Amino acid sequence: GAGVSQSPSNKVTEKGKDVELRCDPISGHTALYWYRQSLGQGLEFLIYFQGNSAPDKSGLPSDRFSAERTGGSVSTLTIQRTQQEDSAVYLCASSPTPGADTQYFGPGTRLTVL
Amino acid sequence: AQSVTQLDSHVSVSEGTPVLLRCNYSSSYSPSLFWYVQHPNKGLQLLLKYTSAATLVKGINGFEAEFKKSETSFHLTKPSAHMSDAAEYFCVVSGPGGYNKLIFGAGTRLAVHP
Repeated sequence: GAGVSQSPSNKVTEKGKDVELRCDPISGHTALYWYRQSLGQGLEFLIYFQGNSAPDKSGLPSDRFSAERTGGSVSTLTIQRTQQEDSAVYLCASSPTPGADTQYFGPGTRLTVL
Repeated sequence: AQSVTQLDSHVSVSEGTPVLLRCNYSSSYSPSLFWYVQHPNKGLQLLLKYTSAATLVKGINGFEAEFKKSETSFHLTKPSAHMSDAAEYFCVVSGPGGYNKLIFGAGTRLAVHP
């Protein structure tokens, strides 16, 4: 079946611009996660959504970062006033149930801030 | 707090020889542990997972890992490396809470030479 998809695959933007990154989880998966993979910091958890519960935003690095998940499916990660240190690969993952062990990852969006 | 240390940032082996990628973890409770692989320009793929069942875990592509609580280790092994095994490998521990927020090691890049 279809896996987790993310768009765009690559995004180049200028410092100060806003960007939106999209994630389509596997159909029926109730949990959705965002991670960031950067050279200096490795792979870091950003945010977690589970059903209609309030998201766990504990990994968001600043208030310029926000995310939403509409209808329990598609999620959008928004970065406002991008900075060069935001350059990274942003990975989305989903899992079938809360607390499920296996997370299934998408191919990521490579963000470059000039 | 949970943490993961991958002891080698780079490992180089010849095709057909054994692979050993080392991982130590720290956790205040009985963790779930994972190994993920990331091929160039591809998403993360789960190799295997330990969730308090058998301590010797077999995964895909001939990989296995042994959970050793006394040594707080979860090393990844494969008897015979293949060229297609060249990739980056991440040792991962589940975070607190009921939803497995993943905490990643820094990664080990495996090179396989003919």
